[in-house]
Amino acid sequence: NAGVTQTPKFQVLKTGQSMTLQCAQDMNHEYMSWYRQDPGMGLRLIHYSVGAGITDQGEVPNGYNVSRSTTEDFPLRLLSAAPSQTSVYFCASSRSGGALYNEQFFGPGTRLTVL
Amino acid sequence: AQSVTQLDSHVSVSEGTPVLLRCNYSSSYSPSLFWYVQHPNKGLQLLLKYTSAATLVKGINGFEAEFKKSETSFHLTKPSAHMSDAAEYFCVVTPNNAGNMLTFGGGTRLMVKP
Repeated sequence: NAGVTQTPKFQVLKTGQSMTLQCAQDMNHEYMSWYRQDPGMGLRLIHYSVGAGITDQGEVPNGYNVSRSTTEDFPLRLLSAAPSQTSVYFCASSRSGGALYNEQFFGPGTRLTVL
Repeated sequence: AQSVTQLDSHVSVSEGTPVLLRCNYSSSYSPSLFWYVQHPNKGLQLLLKYTSAATLVKGINGFEAEFKKSETSFHLTKPSAHMSDAAEYFCVVTPNNAGNMLTFGGGTRLMVKP
């Protein structure tokens, strides 16, 4: 079991560029989510999905898109990168029922810098 | 609305001494509470969780936390710190009616001196 994997580990973008952060899990988890981590602010939920074909917004969704075409994959798209999106991004997954009763498994993170 | 306040951004202890990381929360509903740990350049790992069962919760690596509703607190403790405990710790809350919406505290960085 690889658990939750994220690629790339590091990325530098210029303002206005677009890119996709990849997230995959091999635990057959229904629930997946994306967080961003900024100093002193903990992790903030960007988008989440409770199953293939179903996504919803979290606390800070602006500037990001997601889709969930398969159970395994949950990519995060930055449409037009801005310096305010410089952050560390974490993908997480858990069994159905969401975070309340089930442990969330986190990926190793993607460190994104927008110049 | 819900929120989490971790009262110390940094805590420094000597190896072998007790650890106390403080967390206060607010929630409109009976909350579930978690502590996660993040070692340098790693993802987050669940230490322990409270979901309205016993108020004293034991987690991995000798950590435990006590849910005190009257004080709206969920402080994390360990009797004796180990060098490997040096990491960042996050207190997390979710209301029982919205299990997918985790709210994280700002984090406490624990440093352990030899």
